[in-house]
Amino acid sequence: AQSVTQLGSHVSVSEGALVLLRCNYSSSVPPYLFWYVQYPNQGLQLLLKYTTGATLVKGINGFEAEFKKSETSFHLTKPSAHMSDAAEYFCAVSRWNYGQNFVFGPGTRLSVLP
Amino acid sequence: NAGVTQTPKFQVLKTGQSMTLQCAQDMNHNSMYWYRQDPGMGLRLIYYSASEGTTDKGEVPNGYNVSRLNKREFSLRLESAAPSQTSVYFCASSVGDRRITEAFFGQGTRLTVV
Repeated sequence: AQSVTQLGSHVSVSEGALVLLRCNYSSSVPPYLFWYVQYPNQGLQLLLKYTTGATLVKGINGFEAEFKKSETSFHLTKPSAHMSDAAEYFCAVSRWNYGQNFVFGPGTRLSVLP
Repeated sequence: NAGVTQTPKFQVLKTGQSMTLQCAQDMNHNSMYWYRQDPGMGLRLIYYSASEGTTDKGEVPNGYNVSRLNKREFSLRLESAAPSQTSVYFCASSVGDRRITEAFFGQGTRLTVV
């Protein structure tokens, strides 16, 4: 069975500071990994994804994530936080098993302080 | 291009009432999903449809039924609403042709059961 943990339900950073949101997964087979962002009262929007190939993945809005198989991690980073980055972030894993299944982590709410 | 469209956006039900949440996608996707989102619990899968004509239970199916009406539409029905079903419901779709791709989400339905 797959599962996803996100360390820290709420993370606060100052504007201009590094953003680091942690994601660890457990999976019996190599997974495919995703980060989604959810702004208030909206649906989820894809930030970036890892399927195969390069382990450092770049996404929208300056975010990137690195797949580390040995650490079963897929942490999300952004060098310099902007006020508009305040949102909830979800890590998800997926694999094919009689259809594509997604398993989401509990989410991390990012606050950006002026 | 509308993507995934959910109706209604908001609904208040009395305990015991029934209702159907509608979802339609215009991306010619094979797979469709219904999730519920509750604080601190991420997104939990209620039901999914890997392809037209098939539906399967997810993590939290009790109290719900689904219908894959055609390739575009996937509805979620609450036969007898309970306060525990107060949540935000998201419909999503993915390509579902054995390629692992991202899920695309609707804007959500905020349901309150009183």
